[in-house]
Amino acid sequence: DAGITQSPRHKVTETGTPVTLRCHQTENHRYMYWYRQDPGHGLRLIHYSYGVKDTDKGEVSDGYSVSRSKTEDFLLTLESATSSQTSVYFCAISEPSRTDTQYFGPGTRLTVL
Amino acid sequence: DQQVKQNSPSLSVQEGRISILNCDYTNSMFDYFLWYKKYPAEGPTFLISISSIKDKNEDGRFTVFLNKSAKHLSLHIVPSQPGDSAVYFCAASEVTGANNLFFGTGTRLTVIP
Repeated sequence: DAGITQSPRHKVTETGTPVTLRCHQTENHRYMYWYRQDPGHGLRLIHYSYGVKDTDKGEVSDGYSVSRSKTEDFLLTLESATSSQTSVYFCAISEPSRTDTQYFGPGTRLTVL
Repeated sequence: DQQVKQNSPSLSVQEGRISILNCDYTNSMFDYFLWYKKYPAEGPTFLISISSIKDKNEDGRFTVFLNKSAKHLSLHIVPSQPGDSAVYFCAASEVTGANNLFFGTGTRLTVIP
């Protein structure tokens, strides 16, 4: 298994509060991703990073920001959480030579009340 | 608009028999396809992939078939085992090495002992 951890694993928060999810890898992979999984949609890409301080938007980036100050950490921030952001969030990593084969963390279940 | 579709939300198969999971796509630019398996409370695990230059790829009990003209792929599991019970996601990317994977909504496979 790829060395990927996510924290917290579960979080309940209220609408309008900021939330930060953390992804940590021990594989030294250059590429990291944040997805959300919702019923009826599968997994959808939020943001990804192709190096320290290098990030780009995915399919559903509105309302989310990311930061990557170290190779091993990729943070996802919801500046002001909304109920529509209730979801399961997955972090993934990949090697530059094979960015289409991604390896996923265990997920964070976020509930916004 | 869902570019990768898994029209069967669930499938039940007897242990030892063949499991066939199907996936359709609409984007003719997709040229790399993957299957992921997901157990409850865990992240998706990469299972098998296929490039558009092939029509079949095997890995042990798992075989993926690609029919480009029909924009259809399938995953065959033979023989099915109870440990195969999980949700299976089909995913696709436009260019090998691209960052954005497009996922289907998943099929829950139950293998009955």
